[in-house]
Amino acid sequence: EAGVVQSPRYKIIEKKQPVAFWCNPISGHNTLYWYLQNLGQGPELLIRYENEEAVDDSQLPKDRFSAERLKGVDSTLKIQPAELGDSAVYLCASSLDPYGNEQFFGPGTRLTVL
Amino acid sequence: QQQVKQSPQSLIVQKGGISIINCAYENTAFDYFPWYQQFPGKGPALLIAIRPDVSEKKEGRFTISFNKSAKQFSLHIMDSQPGDSATYFCAARGGSSNTGKLIFGQGTTLQVKP
Repeated sequence: EAGVVQSPRYKIIEKKQPVAFWCNPISGHNTLYWYLQNLGQGPELLIRYENEEAVDDSQLPKDRFSAERLKGVDSTLKIQPAELGDSAVYLCASSLDPYGNEQFFGPGTRLTVL
Repeated sequence: QQQVKQSPQSLIVQKGGISIINCAYENTAFDYFPWYQQFPGKGPALLIAIRPDVSEKKEGRFTISFNKSAKQFSLHIMDSQPGDSATYFCAARGGSSNTGKLIFGQGTTLQVKP
């Protein structure tokens, strides 16, 4: 069974440029999560989806971050414009149930903003 | 009150020794406590988890000890092996009002010396 797929794995951009990350969850997993992981820190939830619905986006900085999961499968996280402080690893995870009992993480996208 | 505090930040253990990582929390509404293991360049992966109605759970060489009254839980890795060298994160699930939301600790980098 394929795991959570994320692309790109690495992205280097200039500040003020836009960037987008893509995630394909494990087949059949209706719950999808985007996390931010700063160097040397634990993951922090940005947004959680149940199918197409964003059920928890309280930690998403909505002035510059947006996310979508149009058909309840793949998801895209966008930053526009990027700031230096956005440099981090962006992790996508999925789970079979909505209770977060076991979340399967992708390898992440490492973003560097110059 | 939403924090999970993890210690130590780093740990060096000899092969065959016992690795112990501790976590503490404040929110008594937390209802699920997983431990995740993360290797460099990979996403975190669930290692073992416990619910607050159980004081101990063992899976192979990995044991969680849970002290509900002290609001503390710990991961014990018996017979530590070089392949266990990774970063370990404790986490807590937010309870009924935050179903599915995991709060992660800051992580512990474990190095097992041959």
